[in-house]
Amino acid sequence: QQPVQSPQAVILREGEDAVINCSSSKALYSVHWYRQKHGEAPVFLMILLKGGEQKGHEKISASFNEKKQQSSLYLTASQLSYSGTYFCGTPTDSWGKLQFGAGTQVVVTP
Amino acid sequence: EAGVTQFPSHSVIEKGQTVTLRCDPISGHDNLYWYRRVMGKEIKFLLHFVKESKQDESGMPNNRFLAERTGGTYSTLKVQPAELEDSGVYFCASSGGDWDGKLFFGSGTQLSVL
Repeated sequence: QQPVQSPQAVILREGEDAVINCSSSKALYSVHWYRQKHGEAPVFLMILLKGGEQKGHEKISASFNEKKQQSSLYLTASQLSYSGTYFCGTPTDSWGKLQFGAGTQVVVTP
Repeated sequence: EAGVTQFPSHSVIEKGQTVTLRCDPISGHDNLYWYRRVMGKEIKFLLHFVKESKQDESGMPNNRFLAERTGGTYSTLKVQPAELEDSGVYFCASSGGDWDGKLFFGSGTQLSVL
């Protein structure tokens, strides 16, 4: 079962904040976040392994609530470089095989 | 260090034709994966190679898709004959021997079947 992301898209002005949510119908032990800029390769941002753990990449942070089977990605004081599509991925029982959400398109405007 | 490279970046073919996509993983990465994203939907797993062996091909849609990884280096994904629903972006990714949760993706091949 693929994870569900929300919102599908968000438009921000520079400096504004946004939250992207990722939820799963099954129990999770990790959540993976990737960002794809237009026409480029998806790039690994972070992996969250423990319940309640938070991590950061630049001014992008994330939390993981394993009890609620969800993760949230926080874009704080957004910059133009944050534009792109953000994907969350959840593990399966197969090494390296992730199930990704449909992505959240983020557009940051001047 | 070179990243994962895919060729071609775009391919437009007619229904019934054959297309071969190529992926060169990061040097030394034993694990190679193919994923596909159709029409802005989820990125879906197709298959996983460990060196030259297929570890998991549970995501391959049907027998029109054939993946190979000769010598455990580059990989090809052939679609024959292509159908309209095969259109999408095909991503290749690789990872090292120890799974640390990080996949290195290529930029993808945008396949359009008309």
